[in-house]
Amino acid sequence: ETGVTQSPTHLIKTRGQQVTLRCSSQSGHNTVSWYQQALGQGPQFIFQYYREEENGRGNFPPRFSGLQFPNYSSELNVNALELDDSALYLCASSFDIGKNIQYFGAGTRLSVL
Amino acid sequence: AQSVSQHNHHVILSEAASLELGCNYSYGGTVNLFWYVQYPGQHLQLLLKYFSGDPLVKGIKGFEAEFIKSKFSFNLRKPSVQWSDTAEYFCAVGTGGGADGLTFGKGTHLIIQP
Repeated sequence: ETGVTQSPTHLIKTRGQQVTLRCSSQSGHNTVSWYQQALGQGPQFIFQYYREEENGRGNFPPRFSGLQFPNYSSELNVNALELDDSALYLCASSFDIGKNIQYFGAGTRLSVL
Repeated sequence: AQSVSQHNHHVILSEAASLELGCNYSYGGTVNLFWYVQYPGQHLQLLLKYFSGDPLVKGIKGFEAEFIKSKFSFNLRKPSVQWSDTAEYFCAVGTGGGADGLTFGKGTHLIIQP
């Protein structure tokens, strides 16, 4: 059983709205990454936070932003939602940034109408 | 940028059959390689990993994978599958000290028939 928890499990928003997804990392993990998984695809890297600073980013626009808190919990914020943002959003935490062994949460299913 | 290719999108096998799922990546530098599994209704779980050393790595539930550097491949194998192996399997590559996250393949949907 993973120690990474995400909330909410499901969310429905309309185009143009803003959304915040939350993640609680596994105990002892100081790095958190966020991924977007569209239907039938593998997860795509959005960004990574290490000790509260963004230290890596994939090919996602600036309307995807995040925060990592001192207790290593994290948020993913998406502004100006588009229909294509409908996906499963996965949070993953790790304790060794170099090796990047990532432990995933169950995800938040976001539907944009 | 690196990419990962999984050759088989859907595989159907009978119980006790042998399994091999192909994975190729494109990246010229040092890589960390992973296979993750996602059972129906569950989160992604790490099946096995390779960082360095012996290119044949063993994971959980009887799975193993072989890293062939010259072929940029990291194929997953299991000698005898079980019905409970029905799941989605993802190959993933990590590079650059970890800050680039993992690059995943599109996944292989494996169905084991009793």
